Amino acid sequence: QSALTQPASVSGSLGQSITISCTGTSSDADGYYYVSWYQQHPGKAPKLIIYDVSNRPSGVSSRFSGSKSVNTASLTESVNTASLTITGLQAEDEANYYCSSYTSNTTPLFGAGTKLTVL
Amino acid sequence: QIQLVQSGADVKKPGASVKVSCKTSGYSFSSHGISWVRQAPGQGLEWMGWISAYNGNTNYAQNLRGRLTMTTDTSTNTAYMELRSLIFDDTAVYYCARWSHVDPFDYWGQGTLVTVSS
Repeated sequence: QSALTQPASVSGSLGQSITISCTGTSSDADGYYYVSWYQQHPGKAPKLIIYDVSNRPSGVSSRFSGSKSVNTASLTESVNTASLTITGLQAEDEANYYCSSYTSNTTPLFGAGTKLTVL
Repeated sequence: QIQLVQSGADVKKPGASVKVSCKTSGYSFSSHGISWVRQAPGQGLEWMGWISAYNGNTNYAQNLRGRLTMTTDTSTNTAYMELRSLIFDDTAVYYCARWSHVDPFDYWGQGTLVTVSS
């Protein structure tokens, strides 16, 4: 299994909104029902910010939200895209963001990560 | 509060083994599994494997099978990860995280830097 596909980098200005995508096929991420997102600042451990596609753990800002969409690529495979949206960008949002999904192999798979730069 | 506290940084020679501990507190240890995730310098997150703290069942990433062993000690609520026959590419920060299949990685240890150097 390869990593889930994320853009290498995104950027946005203070106060603006950005969206980070996370794409996988149905063979990588069965149903994409269990997608989670993690924020990692340099030298720190990852922090859970979204789970089960769109749920926020207690204490995580409502500026973070998640969603997903499904596109049928063929009769036997679909392409799933999960998205993380951050509204009202703040300086402290500058970090690396990783998506993860539970796969049909009963193992988790991570995206390659996206570096968010706040301008 | 839930905490996962890992052992300190380590330096090993190629071919050696390393064992990292992850002491948990603040929750029922046996009710959740522990996964180990590593991150090479400047790279992304790589899932290494999982162990059930309930019955010791394990599932290792295919590329690490044969070199990796995960164990738990329910008397001290501690999980362990041992990686053998180290190579330079095993240099990474190793994290433990609470995880059980469809659940997210909701709590993480602080990370342990393992450096493989001759």
